[in-house]
Amino acid sequence: DADVTQTPRNRITKTGKRIMLECSQTKGHDRMYWYRQDPGLGLRLIYYSFDVKDINKGEISDGYSVSRQAQAKFSLSLESAIPNQTALYFCATSDLQGVEQFFGPGTRLTVL
Amino acid sequence: LAKTTQPISMDSYEGQEVNITCSHNNIATNDYITWYQQFPSQGPRFIIQGYKTKVTNEVASLFIPADRKSSTLSLPRVSLSDTAVYYCLVGDIRAAGNKLTFGGGTRVLVKP
Repeated sequence: DADVTQTPRNRITKTGKRIMLECSQTKGHDRMYWYRQDPGLGLRLIYYSFDVKDINKGEISDGYSVSRQAQAKFSLSLESAIPNQTALYFCATSDLQGVEQFFGPGTRLTVL
Repeated sequence: LAKTTQPISMDSYEGQEVNITCSHNNIATNDYITWYQQFPSQGPRFIIQGYKTKVTNEVASLFIPADRKSSTLSLPRVSLSDTAVYYCLVGDIRAAGNKLTFGGGTRVLVKP
């Protein structure tokens, strides 16, 4: 079984809808991250969490919110989706040393 | 955060060695250099990390000169399956509040 899972894997929604992307991990890591990737570009950090009580904004947090329900779960919400949020979203985890980040398979989100 | 510059793309042939150089002129004392590999529609995968001199693992080598203003990822004897995008990241991975920045990456195409 995969160590980092994301649901859904694909989602098509309409402008103005609220969307939640979920991430779960079985690696026992404290640190979790949400990134987005636009076609042909690198990943940009949206939010990150170093433990259940710690949530931090990344470089592109506007329009997004997160919830760290447990050590193993980190959810990303789009309160009112807009077309320019169409992208590939990745969740990642790392241990306290932060040497290596482990990425999930990604969620492809399309906002019409 | 240290800005990185790497070539947009590189072509190679099976069995050859591929060297990708990343420039990071304003690297800070506590920054580490990390390389990730990404296949289409998958999350990035950690390849190697180093601080100075040379690091080698089962898949790659990382060469870092004394001034640490650049680094070179070396992939020995590439195969078709090494076709991917390679990202150079520079940051203090162990610091609280660390944020890794993925640039545009280098798209490596391995030809038969």
